[in-house]
Amino acid sequence: ETGVTQSPTHLIKTRGQQVTLRCSSQSGHNTVSWYQQALGQGPQFIFQYYREEENGRGNFPPRFSGLQFPNYSSELNVNALELDDSALYLCASSPSTGSTQYFGPGTRLTVL
Amino acid sequence: QQQVKQSPQSLIVQKGGIPIINCAYENTAFDYFPWYQQFPGKGPALLIAIRPDVSEKKEGRFTISFNKSAKQFSLHIMDSQPGDSATYFCAARITGGYQKVTFGTGTKLQVIP
Repeated sequence: ETGVTQSPTHLIKTRGQQVTLRCSSQSGHNTVSWYQQALGQGPQFIFQYYREEENGRGNFPPRFSGLQFPNYSSELNVNALELDDSALYLCASSPSTGSTQYFGPGTRLTVL
Repeated sequence: QQQVKQSPQSLIVQKGGIPIINCAYENTAFDYFPWYQQFPGKGPALLIAIRPDVSEKKEGRFTISFNKSAKQFSLHIMDSQPGDSATYFCAARITGGYQKVTFGTGTKLQVIP
């Protein structure tokens, strides 16, 4: 059984650009959540996808959007990047919406 | 609005010591309280979790104590080892609906030999 994987590992973008981060869920998991972890802080919930639909969202602006695919992999898209978007972006999958989440290693995004 | 407060921010103990990390929450709707361990360059990993109808839970060297009336809970690590050096996050979640986990700010633990 493979765990949650994320790509890329690191990414550097400039302010105003757009970025797409990818996540492959653990086998058998149909729910994916995305979190933003700023340096020295705890992860902050961005949104959750269940069976290809967004079913919950945290306090993030609409320029943060996502997709979940039929194989339950997921993408996080961020438009009009700002300096404060620099963070570790974590993906977590779970077998269902209310069960334990398993985190991937994250993508480190730096916005210059 | 920070709904889960965690302290201390950092902690240094000697090998064999018992580090204690404390958390407090505000939202009484929270009904599941997990602790996560995060090593540098890795995502958080679930360590142990408790529900508010239980006052204490032990798994190996890790123990959670829970005080529902005070809205506080804590993690104790018995016989701490250098390999326990990591950042620990308490968290809280409301069961049902979508799963939003609210994390504390983290405690960086260093266990010195």
